[in-house]
Amino acid sequence: QKEVEQNSGPLSVPEGAIASLNCTYSDRGSQSFFWYRQYSGKSPELIMSIYSNGDKEDGRFTAQLNKASQYVSLLIRDSQPSDSATYLCAVNRGGGADGLTFGKGTHLIIQP
Amino acid sequence: GAVVSQHPSWVICKSGTSVKIECRSLDFQATTMFWYRQFPKQSLMLMATSNEGSKATYEQGVEKDKFLINHASLTLSTLTVTSAHPEDSSFYICSVGGKGGNTIYFGEGSWLTVV
Repeated sequence: QKEVEQNSGPLSVPEGAIASLNCTYSDRGSQSFFWYRQYSGKSPELIMSIYSNGDKEDGRFTAQLNKASQYVSLLIRDSQPSDSATYLCAVNRGGGADGLTFGKGTHLIIQP
Repeated sequence: GAVVSQHPSWVICKSGTSVKIECRSLDFQATTMFWYRQFPKQSLMLMATSNEGSKATYEQGVEKDKFLINHASLTLSTLTVTSAHPEDSSFYICSVGGKGGNTIYFGEGSWLTVV
């Protein structure tokens, strides 16, 4: 049974601070890792994808992957109120032919 | 612009009727499409994988006779909820996986309410 675990929150962070979101997964065969942002009532939108151990930076976002610990995280620097949303961690075994296993999401609130 | 388009965005139907949701890949030919379901305050759950030219693969616990999937072409997959009941009310989302790649795009989602 593939599982992806996230702290549901809410996680409250002051505007301008760093928000840190964490995720663990159970399937050691997972090769691809994704962070999605989902606003209430909307479809998820891709924030970051990461496939190799280490850090990957894209603007204010940094994804971190540690396959040995089966752990993936997302850092959001200079948090903005518009970053307030639910962040979903998702994994799959790789390739466009494999569906995603999602965590339940972390509700992030950026306080102005 | 949108890569994946879903229609309708929302639909209300009577209990016992059937509802069809379309998912279209706009920018490329999709050999694989996925259907997810999301109940309020829950995460997305993969329902089935739709492969062009072959039968859909359903996840454990998903009734294939109730949720009919047809991957009619490389740009269109449809999900038909047959004999819908109130417990089928949910947010249905499709996604598209490109051949040979790891890119996964989501449609805008379809809200289904069964009354």
